[in-house]
Amino acid sequence: EVQVLESGGGLVQPGGSLRLSCAASGFTFSSYAMTWVRQAPGEGLEWVSAISGSGGTTYYADSVKGRFTITRDNSKNTLHLQMNSLRAEDTAVYYCAKGAQEWSYYFDYWGQGTPVTVSS
Amino acid sequence: ETVLTQSPGTLSLSPGERATLSCRASQSVSSYLAWYRQKPGQAPRLLIYGASSRATGIPDRFSGSGSGTDFTLTITRLEPEDSAVFYCQQYGRSPFTFGPGTKVDIQ
Repeated sequence: EVQVLESGGGLVQPGGSLRLSCAASGFTFSSYAMTWVRQAPGEGLEWVSAISGSGGTTYYADSVKGRFTITRDNSKNTLHLQMNSLRAEDTAVYYCAKGAQEWSYYFDYWGQGTPVTVSS
Repeated sequence: ETVLTQSPGTLSLSPGERATLSCRASQSVSSYLAWYRQKPGQAPRLLIYGASSRATGIPDRFSGSGSGTDFTLTITRLEPEDSAVFYCQQYGRSPFTFGPGTKVDIQ
């Protein structure tokens, strides 16, 4: 059974940093792209970042480029999102999701999300 | 950046009726268009990819069509569980944007 489980969310002050993790199981992790998608309270889905199966190619939304870094550890079946210089507008539930193929950036399995609150 | 526009914003229908949801892209995304359903308090679920292919386990009540810039998600025989927000997403080029969503209320 495919599972993705996010962790690492919490309360952080503006300007602070947070590292999200996503533990994956039930599939050959290195063969699939992975992504982070966020949802601010009462708002729609916002794509944040994605990474290819090998980790060699990364993509970012303009709103997080230069502040967030996506990485993956294929030996540990884990995806990370390092978030620096956090702003109030980064407050959201962050979802980890599995790409349907190594180079496909639509997402067939989603975690339940981890909440991030940026506030003083 | 490819901007996706969804219409209508909200759709109020009765069980058994048919829903037609629209997604329009600001530039061509070929057939690289997916649809998701998000029920309240839950994570999104993939319904359609490649504009018209149903994801695993999705009933044939759900169908997608379109290519280029204009896409449609049709849901026949609406069920109470279809009360949700439906999002389209393009994956033709980064950033892989989502539309703002269409809320479907089943009354």
